[in-house]
Amino acid sequence: QKEVEQDPGPLSVPEGAIVSLNCTYSNSAFQYFMWYRQYSRKGPELLMYTYSSGNKEDGRFTAQVDKSSKYISLFIRDSQPSDSATYLCAMSGFNKLIFGAGTRLAVHP
Amino acid sequence: GAVVSQHPSWVICKSGTSVKIECRSLDFQATTMFWYRQFPKQSLMLMATSNEGSKATYEQGVEKDKFLINHASLTLSTLTVTSAHPEDSSFYICSATSTSGGDLRQYFGPGTRLTVT
Repeated sequence: QKEVEQDPGPLSVPEGAIVSLNCTYSNSAFQYFMWYRQYSRKGPELLMYTYSSGNKEDGRFTAQVDKSSKYISLFIRDSQPSDSATYLCAMSGFNKLIFGAGTRLAVHP
Repeated sequence: GAVVSQHPSWVICKSGTSVKIECRSLDFQATTMFWYRQFPKQSLMLMATSNEGSKATYEQGVEKDKFLINHASLTLSTLTVTSAHPEDSSFYICSATSTSGGDLRQYFGPGTRLTVT
């Protein structure tokens, strides 16, 4: 069993849709949770950073962490074609990040 | 803030030669830098962790004599792929964490595409 599970997709949605991206994890020692966005042939860009259960909002993005269920989510409201990218969840353990496989998202006009 | 650069962005080299990739934190000091490789449509694979002034810690299965890492200052780390072979062709990405206590966020560079012919 992988430490972090993430559905690789691809996920295709129409412009304006609400997108839900999810990861589950097995190690209860993870304390910090991040979401990165990666465009093709580019380095990952940090979108959200949380360290507690609950919700954190930043513009059209909301990160949700449920430590009791070992489940994290990223919601994108009013999705745009420019949101088309691969979204990677990452969790911090022992001074290094453990990444999910990444979910490829395509938002079509 | 928190900008990380890499140079070069793309390099082609012949089999058997060595290639050096630089990673710089431009607007912050990085106690720790990480080197990843990524194959097409796959997630990032951590190769090694380097702390300024000390030897890098390599992940299991990564040949430290092949992938030489130097972290000479708080803003610069280098990865040298020695005696490169076609199977070393990949996308190499570095990341850095700030010296601020408790901040575990990693900021990534734009990546370097290595093609070995």
